[in-house]
Amino acid sequence: KQEVTQIPAALSVPEGENLVLNCSFTDSAIYNLQWFRQDPGKGLTSLLLIQSSQREQTSGRLNASLDKSSGRSTLYIAASQPGDSATYLCAVPYNQGGKLIFGQGTELSVKP
Amino acid sequence: DGGITQSPKYLFRKEGQNVTLSCEQNLNHDAMYWYRQDPGQGLRLIYYSQIVNDFQKGDIAEGYSVSREKKESFPLTVTSAQKNPTAFYLCASSYTMNTEAFFGQGTRLTVV
Repeated sequence: KQEVTQIPAALSVPEGENLVLNCSFTDSAIYNLQWFRQDPGKGLTSLLLIQSSQREQTSGRLNASLDKSSGRSTLYIAASQPGDSATYLCAVPYNQGGKLIFGQGTELSVKP
Repeated sequence: DGGITQSPKYLFRKEGQNVTLSCEQNLNHDAMYWYRQDPGQGLRLIYYSQIVNDFQKGDIAEGYSVSREKKESFPLTVTSAQKNPTAFYLCASSYTMNTEAFFGQGTRLTVV
C-alpha cells in the first residue's frame, strides 16, 4: 500500500530564506510525483510534476527533485517571499485509475 | 481560459436533502476525479472517471453518486445516505490517468 508522508507539518521562515520541503513515499514504483500549492479555502494549484525517469524539474524559484530508490522528493524554494505562504502538498498516482495519494501537507509561513 | 470550474462555491444542505455539485472542464481531459478534504485527514478519493459513460468508486463512495454523460462534465450528488457530508469538495481532471492533474477551486458543503 502506498503511503505518502510530508515533514515538517508546519514551517515558519523569514523572508528571503531558501527552504526545502520533504516528501517521502513507501512504494518506489511510481509513474510521477506532483507538487501542489493550496491557499486557505482554495483549490490546489499544480506547481511541478516530475516523471519517474526524471531527477529534477524547475519552475522559476521552485526546484523539485526525485529519488525513487530512496522514496523521496524535495521541493526547494529559493529566496522565499510572503506570497509563498500556503500549504504545499505532494502526491503520487497509485493503483486505480490514476488515483492520487496525497501527503498531509506542509503549512509554510514566510514572515516579512 | 482553460480550466476547471466548480459551482457553487458554498452550498448548504438540510438534513435528508440530496445536493449536486457541479464540475466542468474545458481542457479536453478524459479523466476526472472527485476528492473530499477534511481537516487532519487530507484528500480522499470519492469517484473517478477515465472516459465518458464510465466511472468507478474510490475509497469513500458510500453516500455519493456521479454521472459522466459528457466529457466536460462530472457532477457529484451527495445523497441523504451520506451521514457526515460537511467538507470541502475538490474536482480534478487529467489528460489521461497518471498525467498531470489540475484542480478546481472547490465547493464547501455545510449541513444546516
